[in-house]
Amino acid sequence: DQQVKQNSPSLSVQEGRISILNCDYTNSMFDYFLWYKKYPAEGPTFLISISSIKDKNEDGRFTVFLNKSAKHLSLHIVPSQPGDSAVYFCAASAVSTNAGKSTFGDGTTLTVKP
Amino acid sequence: NAGVTQTPKFQVLKTGQSMTLQCAQDMNHEYMSWYRQDPGMGLRLIHYSVGAGITDQGEVPNGYNVSRSTTEDFPLRLLSAAPSQTSVYFCASSYRGNNSPLHFGNGTRLTVT
Repeated sequence: DQQVKQNSPSLSVQEGRISILNCDYTNSMFDYFLWYKKYPAEGPTFLISISSIKDKNEDGRFTVFLNKSAKHLSLHIVPSQPGDSAVYFCAASAVSTNAGKSTFGDGTTLTVKP
Repeated sequence: NAGVTQTPKFQVLKTGQSMTLQCAQDMNHEYMSWYRQDPGMGLRLIHYSVGAGITDQGEVPNGYNVSRSTTEDFPLRLLSAAPSQTSVYFCASSYRGNNSPLHFGNGTRLTVT
């Protein structure tokens, strides 16, 4: 049973518009959530995270929202830029473990068109 | 600052061969881990280590061995390669703690024929 799901394999948006990437989880023990970004032939890089004690975390153009009751989080990118085109992974971990032991979703490929 | 370094970048093995994927980090991170990524899928944890001399299994450990004799190095050994182990392997490290994100290497692309 997949505990972290990213149901949209791909998303295409126009430059300057908002990109919204979604992630659902099933394990109620998860209390820390991270987003990673991956370019081809490179390893994933950390983008932004959120603790379960918050419902929003913002870093520049990137905002992550957490809805604990729905077990849902989303990543908003505003405005989207062509350089944001990459695969985005959602990951979740529990306080009893290390964030390095996160469970990952399958990823969403974002394409931002100029 | 090199971060996490993985070697080799590419490797082709025949079924039954063994090999070691190397991983080194220079950030003095306590935690190190190995993930594999198959096409269209996320990263699945193979083995991890919370410090020198301590290792444990992740989600998909079968067919792999690890050891952690130093803080810096965390090699992954394939004992007898199988086509099902064809994948991209990522090594990662982080400080201990729930809010310490992973730093990844650039991966090793392994093909087993």
